[in-house]
Amino acid sequence: GAVVSQHPSRVICKSGTSVKIECRSLDFQATTMFWYRQFPKQSLMLMATSNEGSKATYEQGVEKDKFLINHASLTLSTLTVTSAHPEDSSFYICSASRGGRASTDTQYFGPGTRLTVL
Amino acid sequence: SQQGEEDPQALSIQEGENATMNCSYKTSINNLQWYRQNSGRGLVHLILIRSNEREKHSGRLRVTLDTSKKSSSLLITASRAADTASYFCATDAAGAQKLVFGQGTRLTINP
Repeated sequence: GAVVSQHPSRVICKSGTSVKIECRSLDFQATTMFWYRQFPKQSLMLMATSNEGSKATYEQGVEKDKFLINHASLTLSTLTVTSAHPEDSSFYICSASRGGRASTDTQYFGPGTRLTVL
Repeated sequence: SQQGEEDPQALSIQEGENATMNCSYKTSINNLQWYRQNSGRGLVHLILIRSNEREKHSGRLRVTLDTSKKSSSLLITASRAADTASYFCATDAAGAQKLVFGQGTRLTINP
């Protein structure tokens, strides 16, 4: 159990377009979902935390108008990269947690989405 | 900024040898977790150790935690080619409801 999927796994788009990435918890209800960004050979950087039915909490330095997050249900969160530019090219990973406390609730990670902006 | 720092950044050993990776952190924590990431893939949770625990085992994995030194180590015994991956530690800084990841160690197991 505790499977998280992401779609698409890879996406290539032109500069200026918007891209939507979906994160789904397949066999459990996720109160909280997290979105991370990872550059090649680097660590994961938390972008934002989203709770079902409420606005996402963005980390310092992450533009909320650029990276739109919607957590409409207990099994689905979406990240939309608006007006994408080449510097937005990265590996985006989501995780889902039954609860919302990092101290007690395991995060289950999706397989990631490779975004390439031309 | 990343709380966890890991060393070495890269480690290459022969199959069958043991691999040891270290992680240091700065603030107090409730727990520390280790994850594995195969190239271009998501993260797989390996083991969680709580701040009141000193050592934990899971199969070929052994994790230690020294809260006085704010450090942890991950030992993989009898390594296999399939263990080739990047390994990250992650901490939940006490009071913060999020994980902070270390820079990771890229482990290569040579057949």
